[in-house]
Amino acid sequence: NAGVMQNPRHLVRRRGQEARLRCSPMKGHSHVYWYRQLPEEGLKFMVYLQKENIIDESGMPKERFSAEFPKEGPSILRIQQVVRGDSAAYFCASSPRGAGVDPLHFGNGTRLTVT
Amino acid sequence: GESVGLHLPTLSVQEGDNSIINCAYSNSASDYFIWYKQESGKGPQFIIDIRSNMDKRQGQRVTVLLNKTVKHLSLQIAATQPGDSAVYFCAETTGGGNKLTFGTGTQLKVEL
Repeated sequence: NAGVMQNPRHLVRRRGQEARLRCSPMKGHSHVYWYRQLPEEGLKFMVYLQKENIIDESGMPKERFSAEFPKEGPSILRIQQVVRGDSAAYFCASSPRGAGVDPLHFGNGTRLTVT
Repeated sequence: GESVGLHLPTLSVQEGDNSIINCAYSNSASDYFIWYKQESGKGPQFIIDIRSNMDKRQGQRVTVLLNKTVKHLSLQIAATQPGDSAVYFCAETTGGGNKLTFGTGTQLKVEL
């Protein structure tokens, strides 16, 4: 079974551009989570989605950030008008029944650098 | 707010020794705890989990201990190997929770 797949692995954007991060969950997993990690820090929760629904976006900045998990295709984390403070590693995780029931399985992340 | 934290940011051990990584949590409602290992350039990798109805759980070379009285979690690694060098995170949630909350991590360094 393939694990959680994220692409691209590395993404460089100039200030003001848009960043699109993709995540394909493990087969059979309908629960998707996005986390952000700054260097030397832990992972911070951003958003939790199930197919076509945002369940919890309490960790997502109110502006410029959005996430979706369409019926078909990968989950997308979109950052508009990026700023240098958005530079971080973004990790996607998936689970078959949710974080309170099963451990989350993580991808290897997308490292976003804003120049 | 509620948070999960670790006591030691860096732990150095000799190859072959046992390692103990500690974690304190403050959310008394947490009932599901997970340890992850993160190697450089990779995502967190599941090691072992434990629910609040247990005090101890063992895996292959790893043991997790949960002390609900003092809200303390530990990960024990037996016969530590160079491949165990990584950052270790504890994470917690509630049974009906929507997310895992991660601690800040402990860097484990294995010296030959």
